[in-house]
Amino acid sequence: AQKVTQAQTEISVVEKEDVTLDCVYETRDTTYYLFWYKQPPSGELVFLIRRNSFDEQNEISGRYSWNFQKSTSSFNFTITASQVVDSAVYFCALSEAGRDDKIIFGKGTRLHILP
Amino acid sequence: DADVTQTPRNRITKTGKRIMLECSQTKGHDRMYWYRQDPGLGLRLIYYSFDVKDINKGEISDGYSVSRQAQAKFSLSLESAIPNQTALYFCATSDLTGVGQETQYFGPGTRLLVL
Repeated sequence: AQKVTQAQTEISVVEKEDVTLDCVYETRDTTYYLFWYKQPPSGELVFLIRRNSFDEQNEISGRYSWNFQKSTSSFNFTITASQVVDSAVYFCALSEAGRDDKIIFGKGTRLHILP
Repeated sequence: DADVTQTPRNRITKTGKRIMLECSQTKGHDRMYWYRQDPGLGLRLIYYSFDVKDINKGEISDGYSVSRQAQAKFSLSLESAIPNQTALYFCATSDLTGVGQETQYFGPGTRLLVL
């Protein structure tokens, strides 16, 4: 069965601190895709990244970085030098190859960046 | 101008009414999606389309239908709305390439309330 767990329901950090959002997934497939999305208080949805299960390279995009470890089934997201604008709910998600009809979302982590 | 637009942005309707949510994109992408988001949860896929002649059911297609009028337009219909279809609806496009890279683009969402 597929499952995505975001154990951190809510996190608060002071601006400029680094913060890591955890994502642990379960799947029996060997080919799958992992995603992160951001949903600010305004309600829009922003796609951040899609990672193929065969690509374990870490990804960095500006202040954002992602650490994919198949050995621990984790796909963690780190924000460096956080800013107030990073305050949002962040969702991790999983889809399996050949299953375009289904994407499994975690329950999300609400991140508060305090000024 | 936004790359993905949705109309209406907000809608209140009564049980049993037929309503249509519209989505247009200027990205030139073949792939389009309709998702719903319930409070405090991630997205669930309703329908997706990989080109104008390709329509596929997602995980929760019951009670919904879609029409892909053109590459740029993908409409979602609720034939007979019911209260548990009250949700936030997102349209999205993606530029998935043959090498597996993907970026997704979301519309601003439509808040639907079924009384």
